[in-house]
Amino acid sequence: DAGVIQSPRHEVTEMGQEVTLRCKPISGHNSLFWYRQTMMRGLELLIYFNNNVPIDDSGMPEDRFSAKMPNASFSTLKIQPSEPRDSAVYFCASSFNYEQYFGPGTRLTVT
Amino acid sequence: AQSVTQLGSHVSVSEGALVLLRCNYSSSVPPYLFWYVQYPNQGLQLLLKYTSAATLVKGINGFEAEFKKSETSFHLTKPSAHMSDAAEYFCAVSDSNTGNQFYFGTGTSLTVIP
Repeated sequence: DAGVIQSPRHEVTEMGQEVTLRCKPISGHNSLFWYRQTMMRGLELLIYFNNNVPIDDSGMPEDRFSAKMPNASFSTLKIQPSEPRDSAVYFCASSFNYEQYFGPGTRLTVT
Repeated sequence: AQSVTQLGSHVSVSEGALVLLRCNYSSSVPPYLFWYVQYPNQGLQLLLKYTSAATLVKGINGFEAEFKKSETSFHLTKPSAHMSDAAEYFCAVSDSNTGNQFYFGTGTSLTVIP
């Protein structure tokens, strides 16, 4: 398996623009997680899905953030409108049987 | 509630010296425990895991960790540090109540001095 795939790997955008991050989990994994990592706040769980259903979105910072998982092989994290404080590395991870596997991350820079 | 405490946000060791990274957990039920490593500009990679089998767990790259219930600890060790071990290390806890959700520690940055 190719592992968890994230795209794009790098995104630079201007404040106010919409940003969409994409994730393809490992085939057969039934849970998917979105994390954000910054120097100041470390690794934060934003939202996670079990069997494509959002279970806990309490980590989503505000209404500007939304996540979807339309099927078992694809998820998106959208920020609209983006702000400079959203600059971070966003990781997607998928899980099966109590092991989480992380993607390489998307480095987002909002100017 | 589940939580993880990693003592020491930065640890420096000399090449060839023992590596000891500390992790203490809190869990109301038997935990599942994990160590992850993150190299610069990369995602987190699973080093090893404890899921109620042997208390001494061996992982990749010569690392191992011992689950000590009485001390609620899961410290990570490696007998001899290598320059390539320099990275950020994260401890995480899960259990049967949380399903696949993990609770991560704040990480320990390991520096290896030549």
